[in-house]
Amino acid sequence: ELKVEQNPLFLSMQEGKNYTIYCNYSTTSDRLYWYRQDPGKSLESLFVLLSNGAVKQEGRLMASLDTKARLSTLHITAAVHDLSATYFCAVDTSIGSSNTGKLIFGQGTTLQVKP
Amino acid sequence: GAGVSQTPSNKVTEKGKYVELRCDPISGHTALYWYRQSLGQGPEFLIYFQGTGAADDSGLPNDRFFAVRPEGSVSTLKIQRTERGDSAVYLCASSPVERGVPGELFFGEGSRLTVL
Repeated sequence: ELKVEQNPLFLSMQEGKNYTIYCNYSTTSDRLYWYRQDPGKSLESLFVLLSNGAVKQEGRLMASLDTKARLSTLHITAAVHDLSATYFCAVDTSIGSSNTGKLIFGQGTTLQVKP
Repeated sequence: GAGVSQTPSNKVTEKGKYVELRCDPISGHTALYWYRQSLGQGPEFLIYFQGTGAADDSGLPNDRFFAVRPEGSVSTLKIQRTERGDSAVYLCASSPVERGVPGELFFGEGSRLTVL
């Protein structure tokens, strides 16, 4: 059974600081997603990582994927209050052309950025 | 609107009652998913439709849960004899499909179900 674990589950940080959220998964996958969720809202797609070594950046967020280590990271640079939210990684459980898009989510990391 | 639409946004019901939750996917998206999110948890997969058929229903917790998509567009999640443990936010997502492979999932705002 595929397991997806995020670390840490809760993160409180000051504006301007850097930090990394880790996402480990237990079986082979070739697609990994990062989502953002604000309280009471739905999931907003941030990044789709499709291959080993993939790195994507958007503003103060950068995501990377190491399929050999089964690890993805979401790095936050110079955090601002607007980044406060819960971040989920999600792994596609299917491989290759049989991709079904069925995702297994991590528990989520709640980020609180203090002014 | 252009996004995934879910109704109702909130539903309060009593234990033992029947509920239906509706999802209207993005036009042209042939793949449709239902997920359930309990408080403080990540979404859990329930069922996946490719067109009208349920291609994977392995996440449905028991036979009280059933979903349909009769015309390959709108989907309804049906829960019989609701229990308090069914209380959660039910999320619907849709995805375009290219050469048989679903792409990125787009999620709706969810239907919050509370069973008293």
